[in-house]
Amino acid sequence: DAKTTQPTSMDCAEGRAANLPCNHSTISGNEYVYWYRQIHSQGPQYIIHGLKNNETNEMASLIITEDRKSSTLILPHATLRDTAVYYCIVRVGNNNAGNMLTFGGGTRLMVKP
Amino acid sequence: GAGVSQSPRYKVAKRGQDVALRCDPISGHVSLFWYQQALGQGPEFLTYFQNEAQLDKSGLPSDRFFAERPEGSVSTLKIQRTQQEDSAVYLCASSLLPGRSPFFGQGTRLTVV
Repeated sequence: DAKTTQPTSMDCAEGRAANLPCNHSTISGNEYVYWYRQIHSQGPQYIIHGLKNNETNEMASLIITEDRKSSTLILPHATLRDTAVYYCIVRVGNNNAGNMLTFGGGTRLMVKP
Repeated sequence: GAGVSQSPRYKVAKRGQDVALRCDPISGHVSLFWYQQALGQGPEFLTYFQNEAQLDKSGLPSDRFFAERPEGSVSTLKIQRTQQEDSAVYLCASSLLPGRSPFFGQGTRLTVV
C-alpha cells in the first residue's frame, strides 16, 4: 500500500472547521483513501473513505485532489470530543481480498475551547 | 452488543507467562484482523482471518505469537513466554466482507512486568 504523509499535530478552535491534510503521491489507481480516528484509550473509528470523488457523511467531508496525490479531511464544526489522532490510509479496494489497513503516525488534533 | 468486543480490557502478566486474548467480532463478519499498538505509535498489523482460515500471518513478530479462529467467529490471540517488549494494546477488528471497512474493538492493554 502507498505511504501517506501527515502533519504530526494540529490545533483547532472549538466550533471552527478542522482541515486535516494528507499526502499520498504514490497512490495507485485502485487504491482508496481511508480516514480513521482514535480517541484516547479507544480503538480506531472509521470516518470516511473515497476513490476520486469528494465524499461527505454525517461525520466529515473528504476532498481528494484531481491527481489523487493528496486529500483533506474536513470536520465542519469541531467539538472538544473530536480531539483524537487522525489516520490517513491508502488501501487497495478489492472486495475479494482481506487487505489490512496500514497505519502511519497520524495527526494528533487538539480541539481547544 | 453490536460492536467488536475484546476481553480482558487489561492484562498484567509476569515475564515468561502465557496469555490469551479474546475477540468477539460483530456477528456474521467474515474478516477478522489483529493489530498491535505500542505506546505513542499507530496500530501494526499482526494477522488476518477470513472465516476460520488464517490467510495472512506475516505481521506476527515471533513464533511465540499464535492466533486462531476455529469456528469462524470468536478469535484468540495467544502469546507464549511473554517478554517486556510484548507490552502493548492488542486491537481486534472485523468487517462484514473482505475489502470492507473494518470496525475495531477497544483493545486489550497488556503489560508484562
